[in-house]
Amino acid sequence: NAGVTQTPKFQVLKTGQSMTLQCAQDMNHNSMYWYRQDPGMGLRLIYYSASEGTTDKGEVPNGYNVSRLNKREFSLRLESAAPSQTSVYFCASSEAAVGLSNQPQHFGDGTRLSIL
Amino acid sequence: QKEVEQDPGPLSVPEGAIVSLNCTYSNSAFQYFMWYRQYSRKGPELLMYTYSSGNKEDGRFTAQVDKSSKYISLFIRDSQPSDSATYLCAWGSSYKLIFGSGTRLLVRP
Repeated sequence: NAGVTQTPKFQVLKTGQSMTLQCAQDMNHNSMYWYRQDPGMGLRLIYYSASEGTTDKGEVPNGYNVSRLNKREFSLRLESAAPSQTSVYFCASSEAAVGLSNQPQHFGDGTRLSIL
Repeated sequence: QKEVEQDPGPLSVPEGAIVSLNCTYSNSAFQYFMWYRQYSRKGPELLMYTYSSGNKEDGRFTAQVDKSSKYISLFIRDSQPSDSATYLCAWGSSYKLIFGSGTRLLVRP
C-alpha cells in the first residue's frame, strides 16, 4: 500500500535556487495538503487543494506556489529558496470534499529540505 | 494565545505504565478531534478520530474529549517501548486541521 508518496526524501539547496517537491496519492482522495514542520512549531499548513483544479492558501503560503496537476498529484514549488525555508515538508491527502469536509488526513513520510 | 496548546515533554515512563497526554484548544468552532503518532523521520500516522465529547477506545488507546472545557486527552494503557514516539493532537473545522506541537513520549524497557 503506497498511500502518499513524496519525492525527493532529502535535498540540499543554495539560497536563490528553485525546486519542486512532488507528492502523489493512490487513495482516490479529493483533497491534498502541504505542511511544513519545524521544531517547537508543529505542523503548519502552506497550501491545500480541496478538489482537482482548486488551490487555497494556508497559514504560511509566502515564498511557495502549488499545482494540483490532477487528482493524484499535488506539487509544491520554491521559486527562490531562502534559509528560512529549511524544514521538513509533508504532503497529506483526505477524502474531504464539498459536503464531506470533516475527514482525517493521511501523510507521506516527508521531504527534508536544507537551504544553505 | 495559540489555538492549540500541547506540553512538548519529553515524557519518560517505564514499560507497562498508563500514559496520559493532553491538549487544550481555544476555538469552539472546532468540530472534530484527532490524535496522530509520529515516529522519528516518518510522517504522522492517524491513531484516533472523533466528533463528539466523551470517550472513544481502540485497543490500548482511549481518546477523551471534553468540549465544554476545550480539552482532549489520549490515554495509553500497558505502554510498550514501541509506543515511543511524538504524539500530536489536532482539531479540525471544514477542510483544515490545526495541530499541537507534539508531546515526545519515551517508554523505557
